Amino acid sequence: EAEVAQSPRYKITEKSQAVAFWCDPISGHATLYWYRQILGQGPELLVQFQDESVVDDSQLPKDRFSAERLKGVDSTLKIQPAELGDSAMYLCASSPGQGASTGELFFGEGSRLTVL
Amino acid sequence: KQEVTQIPAALSVPEGENLVLNCSFTDSAIYNLQWFRQDPGKGLTSLLLIQSSQREQTSGRLNASLDKSSGRSTLYIAASQPGDSATYLCAVNDYKLSFGAGTTVTVRA
Repeated sequence: EAEVAQSPRYKITEKSQAVAFWCDPISGHATLYWYRQILGQGPELLVQFQDESVVDDSQLPKDRFSAERLKGVDSTLKIQPAELGDSAMYLCASSPGQGASTGELFFGEGSRLTVL
Repeated sequence: KQEVTQIPAALSVPEGENLVLNCSFTDSAIYNLQWFRQDPGKGLTSLLLIQSSQREQTSGRLNASLDKSSGRSTLYIAASQPGDSATYLCAVNDYKLSFGAGTTVTVRA
């Protein structure tokens, strides 16, 4: 069964270090999302891609976070420098549709970040 | 801005009891609503997707209803089992996907 792949599953880093997360969506899915989930809360959107273009990055802290999806397939989310408040689960999701009719979202297992 | 609320935050029931999980949202102009299950430390698993034109959607023991006019969706899980213990989240799509904080369910054997 096709699934969204994410790595690493767990990452422990020290404050001010750089960290990167990778996501490979389900083959053929045009839309890719990065979400951040703090324990006990629902996921919050960081960035949405349509193919290789950014559709929404209004909630992405651009002074330290960056995201790219160069060939419209896999994607990387980077944090530099990491801060204590960045400790969270980073979830990648993909969807076959475009725009508002994105249809069903499929999530990966997530990357758990702990910043010390 | 769309606000999504799930009450209660936690629920504990004996095995075999039917589960009723609630999701309310403030803006009824939505495209669809999706229910997810999340196990501790894991990602989200899609359970049901209801389009705005639908009133309900069913999959096995799961049934989800949607009442756009009142801004409510309900997820019913029939004959609960210990394996149903998880956090259940709803997400509302009004071009942007907004999540509730979830209801954590414990089914006691």
